[in-house]
Amino acid sequence: EAQVTQNPRYLITVTGKKLTVTCSQNMNHEYMSWYRQDPGLGLRQIYYSMNVEVTDKGDVPEGYKVSRKEKRNFPLILESPSPNQTSLYFCASLGQMNTEAFFGQGTRLTVV
Amino acid sequence: RKEVEQDPGPFNVPEGATVAFNCTYSNSASQSFFWYRQDCRKEPKLLMSVYSSGNEDGRFTAQLNRASQYISLLIRDSKLSDSATYLCVVPRAGGYNKLIFGAGTRLAVHP
Repeated sequence: EAQVTQNPRYLITVTGKKLTVTCSQNMNHEYMSWYRQDPGLGLRQIYYSMNVEVTDKGDVPEGYKVSRKEKRNFPLILESPSPNQTSLYFCASLGQMNTEAFFGQGTRLTVV
Repeated sequence: RKEVEQDPGPFNVPEGATVAFNCTYSNSASQSFFWYRQDCRKEPKLLMSVYSSGNEDGRFTAQLNRASQYISLLIRDSKLSDSATYLCVVPRAGGYNKLIFGAGTRLAVHP
């Protein structure tokens, strides 16, 4: 079954404590992306990756890092989380231009 | 002007009603458009793609008006299960790496 898997699904953490949200896809897609979703703002792109070792900033990259060492994995790293990073995060993968984006189930992060 | 704009709703309609949402976009060079459905706190899932003037799939019809730069989603014979948020998605010009999501239109279908 084609899927994008994110972990954890829910996370409550404290300000400044480094965390990683993992994302893995089994569709051999080259393109992967991270979004955050906040009420009234829709999904905003944080970082994306066109292929292994190729990453670039999206619209709201501040406070986040990513890596793409393998095609299937695209972890999101928050080195020093702050309360304004409390949000719902989605990882997505896309096979080809202008085709369907497949999303992970989301990670609800709360930073206190 | 936002790149993609949607009326947030909510649209409250009875079962069996016909309802339509509009989405306006700013980039006149956009060639493809998408409607995604998102249930509460869940991941978005593709509902329809629109590459030319429109697309129809059962009770759902998407139409594109390039001159006025908007796309619409029409839902006929609404079901309770249609209750969700509908996201309009437009790739930013220059590549598919930039999918721009509208903030979504919420639909609530009641008995």
